[in-house]
Amino acid sequence: QSALTQPASVSGSPGQSITISCTGTSSDVGGYNYVSWYQQHPGKAPKLMIYEVSNRPSGVSNRFSGSKSDNTASLTISGLRAEDEADYYCSSYTSSSTLVFGGGTELTVL
Amino acid sequence: QVQLQESGPGLVKPSETLSLTCTVSGGSISSFYWGWIRQPPGKGLEYIGYIYNTGSTNYNPSLKSRVTISMDTSKNQFSLKLSSVTAADTAVYYCARISAAAGEPWGQGTLVTVSS
Repeated sequence: QSALTQPASVSGSPGQSITISCTGTSSDVGGYNYVSWYQQHPGKAPKLMIYEVSNRPSGVSNRFSGSKSDNTASLTISGLRAEDEADYYCSSYTSSSTLVFGGGTELTVL
Repeated sequence: QVQLQESGPGLVKPSETLSLTCTVSGGSISSFYWGWIRQPPGKGLEYIGYIYNTGSTNYNPSLKSRVTISMDTSKNQFSLKLSSVTAADTAVYYCARISAAAGEPWGQGTLVTVSS
């Protein structure tokens, strides 16, 4: 299975909004509403931020939102804060019942 | 709340078998799916596999020939075995509860280095 495609890096200033894309195929992202997004700070375990494309777990800020169109999912962070600086990974369920991750995106808050 | 903790050797010799255990507290492993994910130093996340309480498993095709995931409900633990390891298997290994194809929560991770 091939990894989902994410931009290597994105950046934004405090208060701005950024969007991270995650592109797959009809066998994963496009075929199921099981796309998740994770935030990972250095040396820490990933933290679930979005599940089932657009749902936020309890305790996750509503500044984080997710969406999907065809084979591409997106994570939008609004009102950027310094603490949002981290690596972000998407993942999807696949037609083989496996999970597949994206390569990760490094977010820099300028 | 549910918490997960990985345990096992931090150093494994090439060609040997990597064995890790994930101990679950605050909830029973008799529900949900339970999975393993790894992250080589400085690289991204890689799905290894998951197990359900029926004992059914699913593995990453690229690792399938070398991976076995099992569970012990009496100890509330599930385990990972990866055979014939090489330096490319050096990574932080995470266990996680899987629900709606999403991992939450995750263990803190354990670094396994493959070296002679």
